[in-house]
Amino acid sequence: DTGVSQNPRHKITKRGQNVTFRCDPISEHNRLYWYRQTLGQGPEFLTYFQNEAQLEKSRLLSDRFSAERPKGSFSTLEIQRTEQGDSAMYLCASSPGGGRGRETQYFGPGTRLLVL
Amino acid sequence: LAKTTQPISMDSYEGQEVNITCSHNNIATNDYITWYQQFPSQGPRFIIQGYKTKVTNEVASLFIPADRKSSTLSLPRVSLSDTAVYYCLVGDMGTSYDKVIFGPGTSLSVIP
Repeated sequence: DTGVSQNPRHKITKRGQNVTFRCDPISEHNRLYWYRQTLGQGPEFLTYFQNEAQLEKSRLLSDRFSAERPKGSFSTLEIQRTEQGDSAMYLCASSPGGGRGRETQYFGPGTRLLVL
Repeated sequence: LAKTTQPISMDSYEGQEVNITCSHNNIATNDYITWYQQFPSQGPRFIIQGYKTKVTNEVASLFIPADRKSSTLSLPRVSLSDTAVYYCLVGDMGTSYDKVIFGPGTSLSVIP
């Protein structure tokens, strides 16, 4: 399968713990996005990478959240000192880059986080 | 921001054609219209994208009138496996990724 992959698929943690999620984009895609989705809502944009550069962060991304994309390949999203409100599905997407308007994002299966 | 409005839910019988209309009155000149499908516990899946008139692919058709203030996703002969949430997005996903908003979508239920 050459699609976007995310690990782990599920994560249960206790409040206050740190968690890290990984996303492996489609290999030739230079753009990578992170979203958060809560039950009954559409995905909300969190942050975006063009190759290894993090170019945009939503105000939804508090200081407890950090994302990296070393070498412009896979990306990690870390949440420090998790809170119960962080419980959500965290989605990663990638796109080829370079297109205007026609850019299509391809999503991974997501990581479902439950903070107890 | 180009806000979109679409029905919260729809029901259809198997084998029927389903049309989901999305309103986007303040669409900008550079904006494209993109539809995604999402099954429970999965990420959204790209269905179709268009700028104007009609676009058709192997799974759906997208109709966009001349004023581009609305669009209609058409799913021919739906089956039970088409039960999902469908999102209409409007924007320039090449540059305004952070302003392309997923609303609550339309929850389609296909009935046997």
